[in-house]
Amino acid sequence: EAQVTQNPRYLITVTGKKLTVTCSQNMNHEYMSWYRQDPGLGLRQIYYSMNVEVTDKGDVPEGYKVSRKEKRNFPLILESPSPNQTSLYFCASRASGSFNIQYFGAGTRLSVL
Amino acid sequence: AQKVTQAQTEISVVEKEDVTLDCVYETRDTTYYLFWYKQPPSGELVFLIRRNSFDEQNEISGRYSWNFQKSTSSFNFTITASQVVDSAVYFCALSERTGGFKTIFGAGTRLFVKA
Repeated sequence: EAQVTQNPRYLITVTGKKLTVTCSQNMNHEYMSWYRQDPGLGLRQIYYSMNVEVTDKGDVPEGYKVSRKEKRNFPLILESPSPNQTSLYFCASRASGSFNIQYFGAGTRLSVL
Repeated sequence: AQKVTQAQTEISVVEKEDVTLDCVYETRDTTYYLFWYKQPPSGELVFLIRRNSFDEQNEISGRYSWNFQKSTSSFNFTITASQVVDSAVYFCALSERTGGFKTIFGAGTRLFVKA
């Protein structure tokens, strides 16, 4: 079954404690992306990757890091989380070409206390 | 610059009413792509439809229909005879051909369908 898998689904942490949210896709997609969803703001793109070892900033990259060492994985790293990073996070992937559909993971709800 | 505006924050209708969700976009690119996604209460994001900027043909799929008008930069979505299961947040999104993987989402419209 084609899918994008995010882990964990729920996470509560404290300010400053490094964390990683994993994302994996089994569709051999070139493009992967991370979004955060906040009330009234929709989904905003954090980082995206066009292929292995190729990443770029989205609209809200501050406080986040990513890496793309393998085609299937695209982890999101918060080195020093802060309360304003409390949000719902989605990973997505799609085949190359802007017309292609994005497939989303189930989401990770993060609370930073 | 890209921008997607969904002016309706929340809409509440009674079952069997028709409802239209508005989406207005801004782009400088001549080639771009528009999408609608649905987010039911369970939280996942589900793809509904896509259109490229050269295809203004409107589409009907069951109770859903989409009206794409380049002249007004709008890509509106209508649900006919709404049902309680249509209750969700609906997002309109825009990707430009020259924008790589950059996709801009609107703020979403939350639709409540009451029985």
